[in-house]
Amino acid sequence: DVKVTQSSRYLVKRTGEKVFLECVQDMDHENMFWYRQDPGLGLRLIYFSYDVKMKEKGDIPEGYSVSREKKERFSLILESASTNQTSMYLCASSSWTSGRANVLTFGAGSRLTVL
Amino acid sequence: SQQGEEDPQALSIQEGENATMNCSYKTSINNLQWYRQNSGRGLVHLILIRSNEREKHSGRLRVTLDTSKKSSSLLITASRAADTASYFCAGLTSGTYKYIFGTGTRLKVLA
Repeated sequence: DVKVTQSSRYLVKRTGEKVFLECVQDMDHENMFWYRQDPGLGLRLIYFSYDVKMKEKGDIPEGYSVSREKKERFSLILESASTNQTSMYLCASSSWTSGRANVLTFGAGSRLTVL
Repeated sequence: SQQGEEDPQALSIQEGENATMNCSYKTSINNLQWYRQNSGRGLVHLILIRSNEREKHSGRLRVTLDTSKKSSSLLITASRAADTASYFCAGLTSGTYKYIFGTGTRLKVLA
């Protein structure tokens, strides 16, 4: 079964710490996305990548960076975590070429709490 | 910025009843998709309707799309307790890789 795996389901970090959220997909998808989900706000796009080493800012990139050195891995980095980054983070992938083109496959989510 | 809205925000029905959720969006889209999210988990794709389609069925799901009104609806027929979840619409914005999500409808099906 195809899968998107997020490395951590729950994290607790302190203000100012550097945080890495890892996401790996095994479907050879070109596109990968990071969203954050907050109550009443739905899903908001942080960054997305349409190829290795390519990235584009989403709607709320401030305070975040990303890395995509390999096709299967897309990392979200919080350089200096702040309390307003406490949220659920969702990774997703999609492909333009597969039979399920344009459909997002999501990971289980990473719930980050910044104290 | 959030460009999708859904209503109702929450819906509570009895098992066996039908549940209807509505979605409105502001941009031009290539397709519109509906996703389901169980509490604290990731989203799972349910159904996709292309911009040149008006209605689509999949099992107990029926989706409609009105591009002139920039709106869509999801109907779940003969609901079950296991349908309890949040449901999100997502539009793939024309000419981009970006999906714009709605704020979601929390559905509770009472046994």
